[in-house]
Amino acid sequence: DQQVKQNSPSLSVQEGRISILNCDYTNSMFDYFLWYKKYPAEGPTFLISISSIKDKNEDGRFTVFLNKSAKHLSLHIVPSQPGDSAVYFCAASDNNDMRFGAGTRLTVKP
Amino acid sequence: DVKVTQSSRYLVKRTGEKVFLECVQDMDHENMFWYRQDPGLGLRLIYFSYDVKMKEKGDIPEGYSVSREKKERFSLILESASTNQTSMYLCATSETLQETQYFGPGTRLLVL
Repeated sequence: DQQVKQNSPSLSVQEGRISILNCDYTNSMFDYFLWYKKYPAEGPTFLISISSIKDKNEDGRFTVFLNKSAKHLSLHIVPSQPGDSAVYFCAASDNNDMRFGAGTRLTVKP
Repeated sequence: DVKVTQSSRYLVKRTGEKVFLECVQDMDHENMFWYRQDPGLGLRLIYFSYDVKMKEKGDIPEGYSVSREKKERFSLILESASTNQTSMYLCATSETLQETQYFGPGTRLLVL
């Protein structure tokens, strides 16, 4: 069963615009959420996280929003740059387990 | 900085061969993980280990085994490789099961 879902397999955005990547989860016990970025032929790297006690966390151009009632989180990248083109995985965890979504391939066009 | 290394970046093996993938971390983390990444399926957990000689099955353990004889080293073994095990294999490590996982560069395995 997929406890973490990224329903958009791909997203294409123009350079300078906002990229919004979405993620939904089903397990209400998840209380820590992360986004990872993966370039081809490399392992995923941690990008940003948010605890369930917050609804927003910002780090430079990257902001993660959490809507607990909707069991939904999103990653906003503003402004998007060509170097942001990668696969983005969201992940959700509780004390015992971390689950990953299937990933969204972001392409930022110059 | 956490460093996670994997023994090979690319491997080509034949059906029925025994395959060893090794992962080494330098951060003294308790937890180590093996995932495979396939298009449209994301990262699927094969096995993880929370201590030396301890292991737990993940979501897709069939056809795989693991070994953790030393804290820094976690090996994934394909006893008899099959073509459906062609994939990208990723090792990860973390301090706790909940926190950020640090990934190695991955091993792309092709089974012919």
